[in-house]
Amino acid sequence: GQNIDQPTEMTATEGAIVQINCTYQTSGFNGLFWYQQHAGEAPTFLSYNVLDGLEEKGRFSSFLSRSKGYSYLLLKELQMKDSASYLCAVKDSNYQLIWGAGTKLIIKP
Amino acid sequence: DGGITQSPKYLFRKEGQNVTLSCEQNLNHDAMYWYRQDPGQGLRLIYYSQIVNDFQKGDIAEGYSVSREKKESFPLTVTSAQKNPTAFYLCASSGLSHTGELFFGEGSRLTVL
Repeated sequence: GQNIDQPTEMTATEGAIVQINCTYQTSGFNGLFWYQQHAGEAPTFLSYNVLDGLEEKGRFSSFLSRSKGYSYLLLKELQMKDSASYLCAVKDSNYQLIWGAGTKLIIKP
Repeated sequence: DGGITQSPKYLFRKEGQNVTLSCEQNLNHDAMYWYRQDPGQGLRLIYYSQIVNDFQKGDIAEGYSVSREKKESFPLTVTSAQKNPTAFYLCASSGLSHTGELFFGEGSRLTVL
């Protein structure tokens, strides 16, 4: 079966750095997405990786290793507004998205 | 502004009733999707449509129906056959960008009383 694993919950301090990991086992791979979702709201697109390596976008970076079936989202200079759930999703060989359950990130002052 | 509009945001339904959730987009996207989100689970695909007058079942289509008569609109009907309909429903669309990322509506929270 296809599976995406992420930690259920993480806690970090305002101003610090946090890394949210995502491991996947899917039938084929056509890209990996990270979305941010505030409670009760819609997910919003953060990043996309299809090749190995690091993609940087402001305070957020996303890394992919296809050989290891692994990605992480790195958030720097954490702000209170970064408190949200972070969803990892992989596009499989049929170009269907497989979603992880999400990681709830709690930022403390 | 371009975007996706879902309505209603909150909906209460008695058991045995059908209910229709609206989804309208003005992004000129061909593909539209309906997902269900439950606590502790990833998003699950109910139905998707890649072109007008055509749609496909997703992983959990039983008890749901859709139509795609216009490019802009993709309504979802939750029928009385859906055994556990209380959930957060998300509509999304995607265009021709190289990433194919999804744009989501604000969601509709359905509660069955």
